[in-house]
Amino acid sequence: AQSVTQLGSHVSVSEGALVLLRCNYSSSVPPYLFWYVQYPNQGLQLLLKYTSAATLVKGINGFEAEFKKSETSFHLTKPSAHMSDAAEYFCAVSSLRSNDYKLSFGAGTTVTVRA
Amino acid sequence: DGGITQSPKYLFRKEGQNVTLSCEQNLNHDAMYWYRQDPGQGLRLIYYSQIVNDFQKGDIAEGYSVSREKKESFPLTVTSAQKNPTAFYLCASSIVPKGQGAVNTEAFFGQGTRLTVV
Repeated sequence: AQSVTQLGSHVSVSEGALVLLRCNYSSSVPPYLFWYVQYPNQGLQLLLKYTSAATLVKGINGFEAEFKKSETSFHLTKPSAHMSDAAEYFCAVSSLRSNDYKLSFGAGTTVTVRA
Repeated sequence: DGGITQSPKYLFRKEGQNVTLSCEQNLNHDAMYWYRQDPGQGLRLIYYSQIVNDFQKGDIAEGYSVSREKKESFPLTVTSAQKNPTAFYLCASSIVPKGQGAVNTEAFFGQGTRLTVV
């Protein structure tokens, strides 16, 4: 079984500041890792994904994440926050095995951006 | 455009009534999922299906039922046995990985249905 833990349920940043959202995973097999964003009363939109290719993954809206196997981490960053980045962010993990492909989500991190 | 459609967006029901949430996808995905979202708890898996006429319980299946009669459709019924049904429900779909090296395994989500039971 696999799981993810998101450190910090709320993050507040100033506009233009670095955004850092932390995610640690647990998996007995090589994982696939994902970051999703959710705006109020909407579904989830994929930001980026790691599928065992490059360890530094670039996504939409200027976000990127780095897979670090030694630290079992997949932290999400954005160099300069914008007001439109205010949302809830979810880290998720699935397995490469076809019989355990379903996604397991973290509890989410709500980002607020101060003007 | 391909995507996942959930309906209705808002649903109100009286306590003790069963209610069915619709989910349709035209992405030709084999796998479909239902998640429940409550504040501060992330997404919890209710049921998932890998193929027509087959489905498996997720982490919180009690009080829910599903069917998968067509590849495109995966309706969720919230029964009167569900103790606390008020929540935001999300449907998703994905391919089923065929072993290592599979890409494009991400799940695509609908816009959700907010169910309020009064």
